[in-house]
Amino acid sequence: AQTVTQSQPEMSVQEAETVTLSCTYDTSESDYYLFWYKQPPSRQMILVIRQEAYKQQNATENRFSVNFQKAAKSFSLKISDSQLGDAAMYFCAYSKNRDDKIIFGKGTRLHILP
Amino acid sequence: DTGVSQNPRHKITKRGQNVTFRCDPISEHNRLYWYRQTLGQGPEFLTYFQNEAQLEKSRLLSDRFSAERPKGSFSTLEIQRTEQGDSAMYLCASRWGREGTGELFFGEGSRLTVL
Repeated sequence: AQTVTQSQPEMSVQEAETVTLSCTYDTSESDYYLFWYKQPPSRQMILVIRQEAYKQQNATENRFSVNFQKAAKSFSLKISDSQLGDAAMYFCAYSKNRDDKIIFGKGTRLHILP
Repeated sequence: DTGVSQNPRHKITKRGQNVTFRCDPISEHNRLYWYRQTLGQGPEFLTYFQNEAQLEKSRLLSDRFSAERPKGSFSTLEIQRTEQGDSAMYLCASRWGREGTGELFFGEGSRLTVL
């Protein structure tokens, strides 16, 4: 069965600094999708960034980028120039394909220090 | 596009009562998913639909839980004979499926408190 592991329950970063959130996953599939979702306090979950496993190039979305290491089954999220609005729970997630269920990790709570 | 809508947003009930949650997905989306999230944890998959067909149910979903999606539009999640352990946020999400990017769009959730 596929699993997603986030080993950092909480992290803190100074505003304007860079922070990296870790994620590892387990799958026997060769092609799949990986995601980072953000859940601000008392607000709905939104997609931050997605990566298709067959693409070797790491995805980037403005200040957000990933380091996708397929062989190591690692998928970390880097947030550059951290802003107060980045404070949230961040969930790493996996999906076998574009319509199967998405499996989430337990999350990392990110605090931004002013 | 009004996004994924869930009702009610909050429900407080006594143990043993039945509750029903409703989810209205984004209208063009053919896939609809239900998740349960407890405090400080990630969403746990419960079940999902392609149009009106329920394609998968998690082993977490006891026989007290039932979900429907009549006519492939809105969906309901019913919990019978609620227990205190059912207290959680119930999240609904939708997406296009194979035609889309894989992104799940979430509603704001329905919070259940069982006394």
